[in-house]
Amino acid sequence: NAGVTQTPKFQVLKTGQSMTLQCAQDMNHEYMSWYRQDPGMGLRLIHYSVGAGITDQGEVPNGYNVSRSTTEDFPLRLLSAAPSQTSVYFCASRLVSGNTIYFGEGSWLTVV
Amino acid sequence: SQQGEEDPQALSIQEGENATMNCSYKTSINNLQWYRQNSGRGLVHLILIRSNEREKHSGRLRVTLDTSKKSSSLLITASRAADTASYFCATDRVDRGSTLGRLYFGRGTQLTVWP
Repeated sequence: NAGVTQTPKFQVLKTGQSMTLQCAQDMNHEYMSWYRQDPGMGLRLIHYSVGAGITDQGEVPNGYNVSRSTTEDFPLRLLSAAPSQTSVYFCASRLVSGNTIYFGEGSWLTVV
Repeated sequence: SQQGEEDPQALSIQEGENATMNCSYKTSINNLQWYRQNSGRGLVHLILIRSNEREKHSGRLRVTLDTSKKSSSLLITASRAADTASYFCATDRVDRGSTLGRLYFGRGTQLTVWP
């Protein structure tokens, strides 16, 4: 099993550009989520999904969109990138009935 | 907003010493989890302790939970240089209006173990 796979690993964007961070998991997990990690801030939840077709907002959803058309994939879209979105982004998944979250390796995003 | 807060923010010790990290939180929880993050990598689950448990062991890890004080500690015994990483506590709770637990992470403790 590959676990949780994120792409790209690194990305530099100009202010105003849009892009999509990809996330896929092969563990048949119903629950998927996106976090951002900023220095001194820990991890903050952006959006999450409890199954295909079901998404909800986390703590810091503004400026981001998500969709869940399949169980495996949970892309995160930045609509119009801003320097404040410079961060490390982590995708994570778990079974709804489980407790342990499995993280991807992270995507480093810089917005200039 | 963060639910868990780790203390200290940074800890530096010699190999062989024990490392203790603490976590405090504010509201009722289902369970509390500890994660480890190596530099430039994702978080990896270490151990989970349920709200009705007081202590749990896993290898060189010992976790305690005091729900009356809303605090937890993670003890790593006989530390090794390879234990150098950031350690995060995460509290699992069900928010009002929701049926699914969510994890809230603290800011982490940076542990450095010197050879």
